[in-house]
Order: sequence, then structure tokens, then C-alpha cells
Amino acid sequence: DIQMTQSPSSLSASVGDRVTITCRASQYISNFLNWYQQKPGKAPKVLIYAASSLHSGVPSRFNGSGSGTDFTLTISSLHPEDFATYFCQQSYSTPYSFGQGTKLQIK
Amino acid sequence: QVQLQESGPGLVKPSGTLSLTCTVSGDSINSYNWWTWVRQPPGKGLEWIGEIYHYGGPNYNPSLKSRVTISMDESKNQFSLQLISVTAADTAVYYCAKLLRPVNVYDFWGQGTLVTVSS
Repeated sequence: DIQMTQSPSSLSASVGDRVTITCRASQYISNFLNWYQQKPGKAPKVLIYAASSLHSGVPSRFNGSGSGTDFTLTISSLHPEDFATYFCQQSYSTPYSFGQGTKLQIK
Repeated sequence: QVQLQESGPGLVKPSGTLSLTCTVSGDSINSYNWWTWVRQPPGKGLEWIGEIYHYGGPNYNPSLKSRVTISMDESKNQFSLQLISVTAADTAVYYCAKLLRPVNVYDFWGQGTLVTVSS
């Protein structure tokens, strides 16, 4: 099975800050990497698919990059509604595993 | 707009069977998409349980394979999850989701349902 390792596990930042979250796969996954945002009591919502493609309706301040085993999610300028938990997920081979999550908190 | 809705008991006794159904609207489960179950224990991360497809599958997480069954009822546009021999470790919010092919991303999710395993 492919293991996904996210860092950091938590992050404190302010509105307007630029933040980066990283995700590393235990083996090659090409660009089959997705990023989701989850708010308390809600289902995850997709932000980025195929490593760098912005899902419909997602603000352009979200950017994904990477290929192979190393990936990043960058939020260029934090808005108040961005404080949430973020998960990466590989969809290269089943079981489609998730990272452990990064909780983004207000500083 | 595709919508998914989980339903089933919120409380299951230890050693019992967890049974959930996901009702899909706005899309046919006979389409070229995979239909998936994911769970999230309280305060923890997401775990992929398994998936099913009209033209193939099901595929299961090896960690649960001996206890899980996913099936489809095309006449009702539903798919279901059955997990046997449950313990407290199976307490979680269970989500159903649609995997969009070929980009392999979960673009629609149910709201989730909390299942507690307790006597």
C-alpha cells in the first residue's frame, strides 16, 4: 500500500499570509494526487486534482504542484474561510490512501 | 447536481454488523464512475474502505477486506456497505463518495453519518 505523509500536521497563520503544505508518497504516483479541504462536521471538498488542476469553483489563491512522490499545496493569501483541515490523497492505486491532515489555525 | 445521502443505524453493538446505504441522485450508478466508502474516526484522518463500479470491482482496503462487503442495487440507484464483527475501533463518520474518472478525484460526497459501536 502507498503511504502518504503530510507536513506540517498543524499550522498557525494570519489572514493574508502565504502558506504551503507538503505531501510525500511512499512510492511513485505520477500526478494522481488530490487535495481536499474539510471543515468541522462537514465532508471533504476537493480543491485540486491531478496534482495541479484547480477544481471548478475553487478560488485561484489555491495552487497545487508536484509529480512523482513530492507535492505541495500553496494558499497565496489566506482568507478567513480558509482556516480548516487539509488532506492530500493518492489515487494512483487502491487502496486510495490519504495523508493524516494539516490543521490550519488562526494565529 | 449529483447528491449522495448515507442512511443506516447510528448505533451498532460490538461483534454485530454495520450496514449503510448510499442513495445517489443526479447521476446513475451505472455510469462510468466508481462509488466509494470512506470513514473518519472522531478527531482522526480519512480511511478508504472500498469501491464498486457497474463494470467491475468491488475493490477493498486489505486492512478491512475480511470483514467488508460493498454491493449495488441498480434498481434503486443505491450502493451499500456491510462491515461484520465490528468493534469500538469501527466507530467513525462514514462517507459515501463518487470517484470521477479518469482524473480519479472524489468530486461529490455525502454529508456523512456517525456510526457508534457500543453496547
